Amino acid sequence: GAGVSQTPSNKVTEKGKYVELRCDPISGHTALYWYRQSLGQGPEFLIYFQGTGAADDSGLPNDRFFAVRPEGSVSTLKIQRTERGDSAVYLCASSQTGFTEAFFGQGTRLTVV
Amino acid sequence: DQQVKQNSPSLSVQEGRISILNCDYTNSMFDYFLWYKKYPAEGPTFLISISSIKDKNEDGRFTVFLNKSAKHLSLHIVPSQPGDSAVYFCAASAENFNKFYFGSGTKLNVKP
Repeated sequence: GAGVSQTPSNKVTEKGKYVELRCDPISGHTALYWYRQSLGQGPEFLIYFQGTGAADDSGLPNDRFFAVRPEGSVSTLKIQRTERGDSAVYLCASSQTGFTEAFFGQGTRLTVV
Repeated sequence: DQQVKQNSPSLSVQEGRISILNCDYTNSMFDYFLWYKKYPAEGPTFLISISSIKDKNEDGRFTVFLNKSAKHLSLHIVPSQPGDSAVYFCAASAENFNKFYFGSGTKLNVKP
């Protein structure tokens, strides 16, 4: 597609449930990022993929968070045993090589009730 | 530990005048800086970038200035238009950092 696509755009889930958030990057972009944005804050880094491998997962807050990119294109962010504090907008971005500007999707607004 | 700071949460400017958005950083390793614009319910949109080998980069109405000694960058919008009303984020990185560090954003309101 023309831009980064994220689905769903909104997700409401109950505390303790498992969720998956999907990201379709720009075709040909090898670098893919997940960020999280809370109200009034800037995007906060979660994980970076270069190709299929997670080159840097230092931003994942704990082991309930996991992300995959099995074929080097689509990525899925997985959150187990969701907590109310996980509520935020989850942003995915891709860039051509990893040290150029990143292009963001519209985000998935996750609400844990 | 906030490595990129935008100390003004909001800015209001009259249409046609200059908007100046400021950003400070603490990590001297940063050598690549970007500005993003964000409208409500949309993802951030890339606006302009600057490498540390330059002190100015211009693209139409948008100019970014970098002062490495002060660890400060600014975005100038001239002339400002109502459609520029959005939240502006600055971001910084370095080649081996694998990530961008973002400021908390400045909400710009351009009044007609």
